[in-house]
Amino acid sequence: DAGVTQTPRHEVAEKGQTIILKCEPVSGHNDLFWYRQTKIQGLELLSYFRSKSLMEDGGAFKDRFKAEMLNSSFSTLKIQPTEPKDSAVYLCASSPGQGAGNTLYFGEGSRLIVV
Amino acid sequence: GEQVEQRPPHLSVREGDSAVITCTYTDPNSYYFFWYKQEPGASLQLLMKVFSSTEINEGQGFTVLLNKKDKRLSLNLTAAHPGDSAAYFCAVSVGNMGYKLTFGTGTSLLVDP
Repeated sequence: DAGVTQTPRHEVAEKGQTIILKCEPVSGHNDLFWYRQTKIQGLELLSYFRSKSLMEDGGAFKDRFKAEMLNSSFSTLKIQPTEPKDSAVYLCASSPGQGAGNTLYFGEGSRLIVV
Repeated sequence: GEQVEQRPPHLSVREGDSAVITCTYTDPNSYYFFWYKQEPGASLQLLMKVFSSTEINEGQGFTVLLNKKDKRLSLNLTAAHPGDSAAYFCAVSVGNMGYKLTFGTGTSLLVDP
C-alpha cells in the first residue's frame, strides 16, 4: 500500500508569494493532519480533517494558512502570502480515524524556504 | 492544554551503550503515548504506541517505560547501534481527544561506531 505522499519535496519561494503544498493520504484513512516542523518549535498542528470536514484549524496559523480537502484522497495547504518565518518542513499525516489513540502515518514532508 | 517536555535535545553514545530519552507531560488525563523515529530526510515512523494501563513495553532493542504518577515517559535503547542514529519524538494524546497529539521537541541521537 502506498503511504502518505507529499509534493513538492522542496520549495523555495520569495516573500509574498503564494505556495500550495499537496498531500495524498493513505487510501481508506479518514483523518488527515497538517503539521509544521521546525527545530525551535518542534511539531505544531496546523489543521485536522475528519472525513473531509475541517475539525480544527490551528488558531495561530489561521490568517495566512488555509488547508482544504476537496476529496478523501487529496488535501492542499495554501500559504498566502509567504513570509521568511514560514520556512519549515510541512508534514502531512493520516490515520484510520477509528477512535482515540490512532497511529498517525506521516509523509516525508515538504521543505519550504522563504527568502 | 497539554505540555510535553522532551530531554535531552541531543544525545551522543557509543555503539553498544544504552541511550535514554525522557518526556514529561502535564495532563493527568493523557491516555495514549507514542514514540516516533525520524531518519534524516525521511518521514516519522512509529516505534511504539503504549496505553496508560501498561507501564513497561518492550520492542526490538528498546524498552518504553511509563510512569503515570510522575507523568513521565521514557525510551531506553538497550544496546544502541549506528542504525539507531535519528531524531526521536514522543507524543501524547488526551483521552477524549485521542486524535490530537502533542509532540515533544525531539531528541537527535548519534550512535558512534
